[in-house]
Amino acid sequence: EVQLVESGGGLVQPGGSLRLSCAASGFTVSSNYMSWVRQAPGKGLEWVSVIYSGGSTYYADSVKGRFTISRDNSKNTLYLQMNSLRAEDTAVYYCARDSIGSGSYYYWGQGTLVTVSS
Amino acid sequence: QSALTQPASVSGSPGQSITISCTGTSSDVGSYNLVSWYQQHPGKAPKLMIYEVSKRPSGVSNRFSGSKSGNTASLTISGLQAEDEADYYCCSYAGSSTYVVFGGGTKLTVL
Repeated sequence: EVQLVESGGGLVQPGGSLRLSCAASGFTVSSNYMSWVRQAPGKGLEWVSVIYSGGSTYYADSVKGRFTISRDNSKNTLYLQMNSLRAEDTAVYYCARDSIGSGSYYYWGQGTLVTVSS
Repeated sequence: QSALTQPASVSGSPGQSITISCTGTSSDVGSYNLVSWYQQHPGKAPKLMIYEVSKRPSGVSNRFSGSKSGNTASLTISGLQAEDEADYYCCSYAGSSTYVVFGGGTKLTVL
């Protein structure tokens, strides 16, 4: 059974850092296109970042230079390192699996809430 | 990376059909047959309802259908049921670096 379980969210002050994890089971993270998608409270979905099966990484303009996506193949886990956090980064962060790089996400995690506030 | 344009809300009575539009540009919706639609109930993760414009994942009711014309994609829900009440988001592939762009979301109310 495919499962994605996010962790690492919490309350952080503006300018702070946080690392989110997404532990996968039932499939191999490195063989898929894995993304982070976020949703601010009461707002819509926003794509944040993707890591291709080949290892290439891409980011939304809103997080470029501040966030880093990575994976640990030995742990079958996806990460999102978030630095220089701002209030507008407050959101539920979901990891999602796109099997063929078409931008269609069949599998999603349950989400982890990140709150940036002093 | 502008969001795709969706109506903020739509409504319909049980048994009726509704259509949600999703307007993008020639750089996203118009360039690729890679539009997907997601249903999201409050407090839940999104659920894939349509992928590659008109394909349904296993387990999704055939009451849900998708189409595309030019820069605009559409989701149609026929035979509305109370459990269809949710937020719906469209999403389009937009190239290898931009990757995907989402619509702003449409709240469906079943009257």
